[in-house]
Amino acid sequence: EAQVTQNPRYLITVTGKKLTVTCSQNMNHEYMSWYRQDPGLGLRQIYYSMNVEVTDKGDVPEGYKVSRKEKRNFPLILESPSPNQTSLYFCASSRRVGGGPDTQYFGPGTRLTVL
Amino acid sequence: GEDVEQSLFLSVREGDSSVINCTYTDSSSTYLYWYKQEPGAGLQLLTYIFSNMDMKQDQRLTVLLNKKDKHLSLRIADTQTGDSAIYFCAERRMDSSYKLIFGSGTRLLVRP
Repeated sequence: EAQVTQNPRYLITVTGKKLTVTCSQNMNHEYMSWYRQDPGLGLRQIYYSMNVEVTDKGDVPEGYKVSRKEKRNFPLILESPSPNQTSLYFCASSRRVGGGPDTQYFGPGTRLTVL
Repeated sequence: GEDVEQSLFLSVREGDSSVINCTYTDSSSTYLYWYKQEPGAGLQLLTYIFSNMDMKQDQRLTVLLNKKDKHLSLRIADTQTGDSAIYFCAERRMDSSYKLIFGSGTRLLVRP
């Protein structure tokens, strides 16, 4: 089954304790992206990756890191989480963006609370 | 700016039609999407429309695009209680990020 998986689904942590949210896709997609969803703001892009070892900042990258060592995985790293990073996080993937709709498929989300 | 705007809430009776509206800003966007988010779930793609189209129909869903006014709408015919969810419109930018710009979502409540 084609899917994007994220782990963990729920996480409560404390300020300053490093954490990683994993994202994996089994569709051989080149493009992967992280979004955060906050009430009244929709989804905003944090980082994206066009392919292995190619990453770039989205609209709200502060406080986050990513890596793309393998095509299928795109982990989101919070080196020193702060309460303003409490949010719902979504990973998405699509085949390399070209002339078609290149639909982005979303993972189930990770709800993060930073105390 | 980058705003994609939607009304926040819509309530309809079961069996009626629902129309969810969206306005976007970037006339260069090539694809516009509608996603559905059920409680506790991720985003599910419902449909998309290419910017040179005026209308697209897919079973109970009809998407209308007015490119001149940058207005997009999603009509759900014969709305069912299972359609209750948050609906997001999104435009895909053709800059180097190819990111999706999302509206804030419209919560649809279907009353029995």
